[in-house]
Amino acid sequence: GNSVTQMEGPVTLSEEAFLTINCTYTATGYPSLFWYVQYPGEGLQLLLKATKADDKGSNKGFEATYRKETTSFHLEKGSVQVSDSAVYFCALRASGSARQLTFGSGTQLTVLP
Amino acid sequence: GAGVSQTPSNKVTEKGKYVELRCDPISGHTALYWYRQSLGQGPEFLIYFQGTGAADDSGLPNDRFFAVRPEGSVSTLKIQRTERGDSAVYLCASSPGGQSNSPLHFGNGTRLTVT
Repeated sequence: GNSVTQMEGPVTLSEEAFLTINCTYTATGYPSLFWYVQYPGEGLQLLLKATKADDKGSNKGFEATYRKETTSFHLEKGSVQVSDSAVYFCALRASGSARQLTFGSGTQLTVLP
Repeated sequence: GAGVSQTPSNKVTEKGKYVELRCDPISGHTALYWYRQSLGQGPEFLIYFQGTGAADDSGLPNDRFFAVRPEGSVSTLKIQRTERGDSAVYLCASSPGGQSNSPLHFGNGTRLTVT
């Protein structure tokens, strides 16, 4: 079946540090890949997505590249801010008849001033 | 416009009781999803509606769980004979259609606590 494995947290960084959160997946066919973010007290929000191999999703300074050869979709940001503190979820949505998202377990990020 | 609305935001119930959780999707969104999120975990899929029909209910854990969407808009997740293990945040999401690249819009969830 489909699955997503993401880097376990929690991750604590100083402001302006470089961020990488690893995500790898297992899926048949050509899934779409997503990063969702959950800020404290808020619902899940889409951060970025990529729908085919070598696509790069980007938003709010975050980037992730769909790498089919390594089945990965690592999230990166060059300079984190305190306001980036949240839980980040990697997810995939399979092609074909399945329509639901499969999520990783989430990575808690705390950015210190 | 308004996002996905879920009510109640919190529900405390006793073991063995029946509960209903409501989801009001974004207007015009034909696809609706229910997920369950336990503490420290990612959301787990329960059921997906396309219009009024359940297109995929493979994530429902057992026959105590049931969901309806009679008019293709509001959905209700129903849990019978609740157990302490049902305690979790129940998330609803909607999207314009069922395409694989169509993002889901999530509500803030209903936190269910079974005592």
